Amino acid sequence: DVKVTQSSRYLVKRTGEKVFLECVQDMDHENMFWYRQDPGLGLRLIYFSYDVKMKEKGDIPEGYSVSREKKERFSLILESASTNQTSMYLCASSSPDDSIGIQYFGAGTRLSVL
Amino acid sequence: KNEVEQSPQNLTAQEGEFITINCSYSVGISALHWLQQHPGGGIVSLFMLSSGKKKHGRLIATINIQEKHSSLHITASHPRDSAVYICAVDFSGGGADGLTFGKGTHLIIQP
Repeated sequence: DVKVTQSSRYLVKRTGEKVFLECVQDMDHENMFWYRQDPGLGLRLIYFSYDVKMKEKGDIPEGYSVSREKKERFSLILESASTNQTSMYLCASSSPDDSIGIQYFGAGTRLSVL
Repeated sequence: KNEVEQSPQNLTAQEGEFITINCSYSVGISALHWLQQHPGGGIVSLFMLSSGKKKHGRLIATINIQEKHSSLHITASHPRDSAVYICAVDFSGGGADGLTFGKGTHLIIQP
């Protein structure tokens, strides 16, 4: 089975802190994604990466950056956390060889910024 | 802007009822996904469709490409079906640009 692992299920941080959310997948997938999920807004794409060291902005990249130094790991970085970044963060991966693009999701990280 | 509309937003039904959740999208797509999210956040992929109909157990998913519409049906619903069901669309092909999501349908099945 494909496994997408997010490093933390729950995280509490203070305003202004630098926050790292880590995601690791074990299926050698090229594509990886970070989403946030908010009530009434659904899931929205923050950033995605289709190869090591490559990154593309999604729909809501402001306030975030990402790092993809190794194929299996995709990190989401909040340079200076703010309260409006309190949310559920979901990582996903997929293979471009899968022509219909199934995405496999991690369990999510619920981040609270105080 | 590519959009995905899902309805209803909330649905409460009695055990055994036939459930239908609808999803409409604005432009042509390469694939549509139905996802299930249980309390606690984990998301599971139920179906991926590019045409026709798929069935898995008590779940059935259909898509009408011409009408830009998909439905997820649950037959003989059970309390363990209670979850958020999310429609997600791949507008780009191959999934490389991420998915666009509906806002989800919160389903509660009462015993």
